[in-house]
Amino acid sequence: GAGVSQSPSNKVTEKGKDVELRCDPISGHTALYWYRQSLGQGLEFLIYFQGNSAPDKSGLPSDRFSAERTGGSVSTLTIQRTQQEDSAVYLCASSNRQGASGNTIYFGEGSWLTVV
Amino acid sequence: GNSVTQMEGPVTLSEEAFLTINCTYTATGYPSLFWYVQYPGEGLQLLLKATKADDKGSNKGFEATYRKETTSFHLEKGSVQVSDSAVYFCALSSYYGNNRLAFGKGNQVVVIP
Repeated sequence: GAGVSQSPSNKVTEKGKDVELRCDPISGHTALYWYRQSLGQGLEFLIYFQGNSAPDKSGLPSDRFSAERTGGSVSTLTIQRTQQEDSAVYLCASSNRQGASGNTIYFGEGSWLTVV
Repeated sequence: GNSVTQMEGPVTLSEEAFLTINCTYTATGYPSLFWYVQYPGEGLQLLLKATKADDKGSNKGFEATYRKETTSFHLEKGSVQVSDSAVYFCALSSYYGNNRLAFGKGNQVVVIP
C-alpha cells in the first residue's frame, strides 16, 4: 500500500481481555517497528522485526505483550489480560533497508487503545 | 545507550515569530538525526533529517544542523504560521541500535494568530 496501515484505529476493551493490533507495512519494507505513545511517557520502543524475526524485543513491557510477523509483511501485536496502564496509542512503523541508520522510518496513524 | 533530550515544556508564540526547539543527544557511533512532526489528529511524519556531521536538513522552512561537537540538532524556523502548530519530536537512530528511533519527549508548539 501507499503507507503504513494499522487497524483498528480505535479499540475500547475491558480490563482482563486480550487485544490484537494489526500493522500492514509499506510494501517491500523489510524492517518493522512497534512503538507506544502515552501521556507522560512519550514514544517508547517496543519491538523490532527484520523480515519475520525479531532481533530486538527489549522494549516489550511485560510477558503479556507479544508480537509476530508473517510473510515478511503483516505484523500483529497482542496484549493479553489488558490492564488500564496499557491504554495508549500503539504505533507501527516500517523502513526499507537494514544497516543504514539514515533510512527514513515511516509511521502509521496508530491504534488508540483504551482499557476500561 | 542512545538518548535524546528536548527542552522542557510547550512553546507558545505569535505568527511570524522565530522558532527554536533545542535537541541534544547521546549516542554510540555515528547516529542519524531526525525531526518528526505530529499535527493534531494525525500520525508522525518525518519533517527533516541529517545523516552526518555538519549536514543541514531542511523542509517547509524548517532547518536543523547536525553539530557533532555540541551533540545537538536544534530545530529552527524563521517565521512560523498557525499551521505549524503541532508536536515536534527529535529522534536519532544508529546501526548499533538496530536503526530503531530513540525519541525525545516532544514539544508542543502553539502558534497564535
